[in-house]
Amino acid sequence: AQSVTQLDSQVPVFEEAPVELRCNYSSSVSVYLFWYVQYPNQGLQLLLKYLSGSTLVKGINGFEAEFNKSQTSFHLRKPSVHISDTAEYFCAVSETTSGTYKYIFGTGTRLKVLA
Amino acid sequence: NAGVTQTPKFQVLKTGQSMTLQCAQDMNHNSMYWYRQDPGMGLRLIYYSASEGTTDKGEVPNGYNVSRLNKREFSLRLESAAPSQTSVYFCASTSLGDRRPQHFGDGTRLSIL
Repeated sequence: AQSVTQLDSQVPVFEEAPVELRCNYSSSVSVYLFWYVQYPNQGLQLLLKYLSGSTLVKGINGFEAEFNKSQTSFHLRKPSVHISDTAEYFCAVSETTSGTYKYIFGTGTRLKVLA
Repeated sequence: NAGVTQTPKFQVLKTGQSMTLQCAQDMNHNSMYWYRQDPGMGLRLIYYSASEGTTDKGEVPNGYNVSRLNKREFSLRLESAAPSQTSVYFCASTSLGDRRPQHFGDGTRLSIL
């Protein structure tokens, strides 16, 4: 079964600084990867997804992520963060078992943008 | 566009009480999921329904039951609530295919006293 590791539980960063949120997954023949964002008291919203093709994926709100098959990583980056980016970020991978689709989530990284 | 709607948004129960969490989606999605979110543990799958008429256990099914009432609705029932079930519960849906991202409701915040 797949597993997803987000090593950083909290990441503080100053406004307008760059940020990288790390995500590693267990290897698989084929893998589909997602990053979600959760603002306080809300559900999860899709930031971006990797299905196939270019390893650099661009998402909403200026975020991007790079799929690295050899390192089994899918790190999320933003060159310049805003206060409004303060939220919790989840990496997820989908897997297929007997024709049923399930999603495995990491434990989340809380991004705190400081003024 | 409503997307995924969960009711209620907040609930406080006493130990041993029962309740049903409701979830409805208006996107004609085949698959629906129930997760619980606890601090430091991410989202853990309780039950899922790959399609109308089918349900399966996820990672943490004990103490819960589900019903896929029709294609739109997927409910989660706590028969005898326990303090360990205090959590935020999220419903999600997706169309068929593991390349599809999930759509989430805003959650139900449940406290068991």
